[in-house]
Parts: sequence; C-alpha cells; structure tokens
Amino acid sequence: GESVGLHLPTLSVQEGDNSIINCAYSNSASDYFIWYKQESGKGPQFIIDIRSNMDKRQGQRVTVLLNKTVKHLSLQIAATQPGDSAVYFCAERSEKLVFGKGTKLTVNP
Amino acid sequence: NAGVMQNPRHLVRRRGQEARLRCSPMKGHSHVYWYRQLPEEGLKFMVYLQKENIIDESGMPKERFSAEFPKEGPSILRIQQVVRGDSAAYFCASSYDRDEQYFGPGTRLTVT
Repeated sequence: GESVGLHLPTLSVQEGDNSIINCAYSNSASDYFIWYKQESGKGPQFIIDIRSNMDKRQGQRVTVLLNKTVKHLSLQIAATQPGDSAVYFCAERSEKLVFGKGTKLTVNP
Repeated sequence: NAGVMQNPRHLVRRRGQEARLRCSPMKGHSHVYWYRQLPEEGLKFMVYLQKENIIDESGMPKERFSAEFPKEGPSILRIQQVVRGDSAAYFCASSYDRDEQYFGPGTRLTVT
C-alpha cells in the first residue's frame, strides 16, 4: 500500500546552519511530490514541489531533491532562521495526496 | 485574493450532536479536498470534490460522515452523531488544477 515516512521525527539546528529533512516513499506510481510547512495552530503552507521527471528543484533558500531509485525525497533549507521552526511534511501524489507523519524542526538562536 | 476560508475555527460538540464544517475555496478554484489531522500526526485524506460532484471519497468513514460542494456556496463536511474519536483538526484545501493545493487554517473539533 501507499506510505510516506520520515526518517527523523525531530531536528534541532543552530541559526544560520543548513537543515536537511528526509522523506521516504513507497509508491513508485507517484508523479508529484510536495513539501509543506505547518506552524502551530495553522494549516500547511506550500513550500516547494517537484515532479517525477526532475531530480532537483530550487526555490528561495530551499532545495528539493528526488531520488526515484531509492524512493527518497529531501528538503534542504539554507541559512536556517528561527522563523523556519515548524513541522515539515512531505506529501506524494499518485491519485491522491498522501502525507508523511512530519518532522519537527527547531532552530536555536 | 483571499485564501481558503474555513469556519468555524473552533467547534465544540457533545457526543451525539452534529458538526458542520464549512470551507470556501480560493477564488477560481474548483477542486476542494478535506483532510483530518490528529495531534502529532500527518494529514489524512478524506474526500475530494469538484462542483456538485464527489470525485474520490476513499478516505471518508462509511458512516456518519458526508461532504458536499454545491454549485453555490461553500463546501460542507458534515459529521452526524459525533463521538470522542472525531475530535481532530479538519483542514480544507483547494486547487485550480490537481496540483498545488492551498490549505485553509482548519477547524478544530472537540467532542465532549
């Protein structure tokens, strides 16, 4: 069946460091992947997406890498800031969006 | 352009009552999705609707839950005879096509 999982439930980094959040997926039919950021008490906020015909996509301070061979997705945040503290979810879509459990990122000043 | 609107933001119901959650999609979006989130969990897909049609309800419990997206007005998620296990945050998302989904702030349902 479909499953999207995260390797680490929590991640703590120092302000200014780079953060890497990892995600594994199992549905090889998934053709679209998204990273969302969710702050406490709020709805998920779109960060960046990538289609299965790509292996890398860059945004402002964020990069998503897709390795279809090992079914692995990662989100890299450059120069992490306190405002980046949140729970980050990866999601994959074949017919519907399937969310992973989330990684809580804490940025220490 | 206003984002996805959900109301109420917080809803308290006693066991056996009905809960109605409303979602107004972003302007121009005709795809609406409902998700449920338990504390410390990811979002679980419930139902996908387009105007007047249910496209995919594979995540909806078979009983007590229903959803609609009428031609006019917001999408409604209805939970009849609520039980304590229905307590959760319910999020609505909308999209223009089937890709990027924009989420609302959620409705936090508490069943006492």
